[in-house]
Amino acid sequence: GAGVSQSPSNKVTEKGKDVELRCDPISGHTALYWYRQSLGQGLEFLIYFQGNSAPDKSGLPSDRFSAERTGGSVSTLTIQRTQQEDSAVYLCASTRPNTGELFFGEGSRLTVL
Amino acid sequence: AQSVTQPDIHITVSEGASLELRCNYSYGATPYLFWYVQSPGQGLQLLLKYFSGDTLVQGIKGFEAEFKRSQSSFNLRKPSVHWSDAAEYFCAVGPYNFNKFYFGSGTKLNVKP
Repeated sequence: GAGVSQSPSNKVTEKGKDVELRCDPISGHTALYWYRQSLGQGLEFLIYFQGNSAPDKSGLPSDRFSAERTGGSVSTLTIQRTQQEDSAVYLCASTRPNTGELFFGEGSRLTVL
Repeated sequence: AQSVTQPDIHITVSEGASLELRCNYSYGATPYLFWYVQSPGQGLQLLLKYFSGDTLVQGIKGFEAEFKRSQSSFNLRKPSVHWSDAAEYFCAVGPYNFNKFYFGSGTKLNVKP
């Protein structure tokens, strides 16, 4: 597809379970970002990938959160032992080098019961 | 610390009226500034950006924004609002290398017929 694709669009899980969220960026975009959007809050930066460089993980809220990007393309955000406060919309964005324009997916809505 | 403040959580304007959405930022270096719009059920879309030069920038959908360094502001304006402008608007600031963007908490715009 032409845009950033995220799956699943909705995920309901029980507290303590692990979840994986997937992001397929726009072809040719070297940078990829994960953000979290909680109800009534702005977008909270989680992690940034640029090419083959080491990712900037400074926004990950705890060691239960991890992300990887395979082959410079698809990225997976993993949340282990989910907690209710992890409930949010997880947004992925990609961008071409040096443009600053983020292209966002529609997000994965996570609900932890 | 880097931050973006959007003081207005909700704004309601009549169709055809003018609009100004406020954005103030705190940033330790030269800011690169952005406005994004999030329509219901859609991903965030870039409206406009400011990197340097003319402090009044034009964007898509008839929007413009003015960078005022002395006030640390980047307010979004539109002369005449259309019903289709009802959405949530986010201001963001980032560094020259675009490795991390800081977003405000958003302003939800309602448009009265």
